[in-house]
Amino acid sequence: EAGVAQSPRYKIIEKRQSVAFWCNPISGHATLYWYQQILGQGPKLLIQFQNNGVVDDSQLPKDRFSAERLKGVDSTLKIQPAKLEDSAVYLCASSFLRQGATGELFFGEGSRLTVL
Amino acid sequence: SQKIEQNSEALNIQEGKTATLTCNYTNYSPAYLQWYRQDPGRGPVFLLLIRENEKEKRKERLKVTFDTTLKQSLFHITASQPADSATYLCALPTQSWGKLQFGAGTQVVVTP
Repeated sequence: EAGVAQSPRYKIIEKRQSVAFWCNPISGHATLYWYQQILGQGPKLLIQFQNNGVVDDSQLPKDRFSAERLKGVDSTLKIQPAKLEDSAVYLCASSFLRQGATGELFFGEGSRLTVL
Repeated sequence: SQKIEQNSEALNIQEGKTATLTCNYTNYSPAYLQWYRQDPGRGPVFLLLIRENEKEKRKERLKVTFDTTLKQSLFHITASQPADSATYLCALPTQSWGKLQFGAGTQVVVTP
């Protein structure tokens, strides 16, 4: 079974530039998550999708971050304009989660962003 | 607000010994708790889930306990090996369906 695919693995940009990350979840997984992990910290949820609808985006900085999951499969996370504090690893995860179930999350390898 | 605390100091342990990690939480009443392993430059990998009505869960050399009165979970690695060196994260569901909040993780270093 193929895992969660993410690209690019690494990205270096100047502040105020834009960047986009792509994620393809495990086939059949309805729930998709984007987490931000700053060095030395645990992953912090940015946005959660159920199929192509947003379940939770309460911690997404909407003035600069956006995410979409068209057709309920793969997803894109965009940052525009980037700030120095956005330097982090962006992790995509998916889950075969039915409402009320206790699904484990399957994570991709992450996309490491450095903002100079 | 909900808070998860894990030891921020790395745990250095000799091969063959038992490593014990702690996950404390406040302002939660989670129905379950999960543990993940994260290697440098990789995404977290699920290890174990324990429910609120389970006192203990085992998987090979791993053992997890869950004390809802103390609001604490203990994670044990018995007969530790250098390959067990990694960061271990605990995660709890928030009130929002399916939303997991992670602790900062504890790094374990097993030396031969």
